[in-house]
Amino acid sequence: GEDVEQSLFLSVREGDSSVINCTYTDSSSTYLYWYKQEPGAGLQLLTYIFSNMDMKQDQRLTVLLNKKDKHLSLRIADTQTGDSAIYFCAVPQPRAGSYQLTFGKGTKLSVIP
Amino acid sequence: DGGITQSPKYLFRKEGQNVTLSCEQNLNHDAMYWYRQDPGQGLRLIYYSQIVNDFQKGDIAEGYSVSREKKESFPLTVTSAQKNPTAFYLCASSIDTTTGNDEQYFGPGTRLTVT
Repeated sequence: GEDVEQSLFLSVREGDSSVINCTYTDSSSTYLYWYKQEPGAGLQLLTYIFSNMDMKQDQRLTVLLNKKDKHLSLRIADTQTGDSAIYFCAVPQPRAGSYQLTFGKGTKLSVIP
Repeated sequence: DGGITQSPKYLFRKEGQNVTLSCEQNLNHDAMYWYRQDPGQGLRLIYYSQIVNDFQKGDIAEGYSVSREKKESFPLTVTSAQKNPTAFYLCASSIDTTTGNDEQYFGPGTRLTVT
């Protein structure tokens, strides 16, 4: 099956940039997603990138995709305390004629004031 | 407002009892999902449904059951056969599952504690 790997923890100072990395094993994915989960809440879609793109920028967020290395990253510029959350990388997987998202275990971002 | 609702937010049960978690969506989505989240484990797929009256087992279906009698509703029953039911349960929906670009929308979750 698909493996989606992320480091579990990241700590940055307020105002610095955060970079969260994700690697995956299956190359058939179309869209790749980043979700954010605040404490005690569900997941919310943060951003996504189509597999034929190398980069997507959306305000403070930059997604980089290296298809050859199967590596996805999320950069948050000027990190704020409100960015403290768990960030999940999610990759669609073919399963029984459909697609299902496989999630990484999540990276817990802690922002130090 | 369109969205997914889960109720209740917190649920407590005694060991040996079945319990049903509610999930409702008004997004007119065909596909619905149940995930279990444990600390450090990420999200694991329990069951999913691509259409009314049809559902498929996910990666950890043992000890759980579902039904999909209506498009907007996908309740999950945690049975007494589930050996470690205490967890955070998340319901999600998407337009469909056939194209690989199915963004999933999540509910707020139900935290189940079994003692």
